[in-house]
Amino acid sequence: KNEVEQSPQNLTAQEGEFITINCSYSVGISALHWLQQHPGGGIVSLFMLSSGKKKHGRLIATINIQEKHSSLHITASHPRDSAVYICAVWADKIIFGKGTRLHILP
Amino acid sequence: GAGVSQSPSNKVTEKGKDVELRCDPISGHTALYWYRQSLGQGLEFLIYFQGNSAPDKSGLPSDRFSAERTGGSVSTLTIQRTQQEDSAVYLCASSPHRGGTDYGYTFGSGTRLTVV
Repeated sequence: KNEVEQSPQNLTAQEGEFITINCSYSVGISALHWLQQHPGGGIVSLFMLSSGKKKHGRLIATINIQEKHSSLHITASHPRDSAVYICAVWADKIIFGKGTRLHILP
Repeated sequence: GAGVSQSPSNKVTEKGKDVELRCDPISGHTALYWYRQSLGQGLEFLIYFQGNSAPDKSGLPSDRFSAERTGGSVSTLTIQRTQQEDSAVYLCASSPHRGGTDYGYTFGSGTRLTVV
């Protein structure tokens, strides 16, 4: 079993839908990181969080340390949100999830 | 510069040759990371520098890989005796400090290494 599991692996939704991407981990961590990788390969760092909730524009990230779980939400999704979303945790090393491929249809 | 700069953007090398990849982090950023992403694979952590502390080399896949960071700024990742499995996009990221900002880190656009 991978130490960081993301779900779903792939997600297709209509423009405007509320999107939730989940990340579960099995190790003790000091922080969790959400990344966005665009089709061209460029990576953008979205959030770094160790507790609670953070919001940036239409993006919201939450983490529950006790349950070892984080969610990334996108409100009013748009085709430009189409990308691979990657969860990474800071344990004794940095461990990456395999990513969630999101496709928003216009 | 305004962002993290990596060079070259593309590198094709023959198997067995040495290569050097360069990363210019954002000025003043003390934390610098190297990652790689092989074709169709996820991200893989390689090495981490934080200020003047000894680097965390726990992600380097073999002793053919090494990295330096001179003067707390520019970093060079060196791969000796390259192998075909070293082909990947090598990404550099930096942050003002270890914990990152609320948004994490700033990534460079990567160096695509192809070993033929």
